[in-house]
Amino acid sequence: QLQLVQSGAEVKKPGASMKVSCKASGYTLTDFYVHWVRQAPGQGLEWMGWMNPDNGDTYYHQKFRGRVTMTSDTSISAAYIELSSLRSDDTAVYYCARGGTLSGIRRSNDYWGQGTLITVSS
Amino acid sequence: ENVLTQSPGTLSLSPGERAILSCRPSQSISSSFLAWHQQKPGQAPRLLIYAASRRATGIPDRFSGSGSGTDFTLTISRLEPEDFAVYYCQKYDSAPWTFGQGTKVEMK
Repeated sequence: QLQLVQSGAEVKKPGASMKVSCKASGYTLTDFYVHWVRQAPGQGLEWMGWMNPDNGDTYYHQKFRGRVTMTSDTSISAAYIELSSLRSDDTAVYYCARGGTLSGIRRSNDYWGQGTLITVSS
Repeated sequence: ENVLTQSPGTLSLSPGERAILSCRPSQSISSSFLAWHQQKPGQAPRLLIYAASRRATGIPDRFSGSGSGTDFTLTISRLEPEDFAVYYCQKYDSAPWTFGQGTKVEMK
C-alpha cells in the first residue's frame, strides 16, 4: 500500500543543520509533488514548501527561504528536507506529504509520512 | 498571504451530536481548492475532504464539506468517539498552501 516513511528523531545543537528523509512506496515518486509541513509542540500545522521530484523544481515559503533545501533521490524513491542555522524555535515534528500530480491534478496533501521530531537544544 | 481563520477554537460536544466547523479565508479561494484534515494526538494529519466537498478515500459519509469563496464548513453529522480530534482547513489553490489554526473537537 502507499506509504511515506520518514527517518528517525534527532537532537541538534543551535546553529547546526538537520536533514530528514522521506521514502515513498506504493506509487511513483516522480509522478507527484512532495510537500513538507512542520508542527511545533502544541501548535498548528505550518506549510514549508514543495518540490517536484522529477525535475528538482522547488517552492519555499518565504519564511524559510535561504535556510531550507528540498531535494530527492529518485533512484531510491526518497525526498529530503534540509534546514540550516537551526534555532530553538525550529523544534518541531517535520512531515512529508504527497501533493498533486505533475500533470496538475490536486487533492491537497492526501498521504502523509509519520513525522520526524527534530529537537534543537544546547 | 491568504490567512485562514477557523472557528470556534474549541467545540465541546457529546457523541451522537452534530459538529459544525467554520473556515474563513481572508481572500477568496479559486475553484474551491480547500481541504480539511483531521489530526489525533501523536498522529500525522489525515485528509478528510478536498475540493471543498469531496470525501477522500475511506472517509465515512458522516463527514461532509461545503462552501466556496471565503466561507467553508466541515460538518460531522453524528460524532463517533474516534472523531474527537483537531481539524485543520487548508488552501491549495496556489502557494503558499496555508493552514488554519485548527478547531479542537473535544468530548463534553
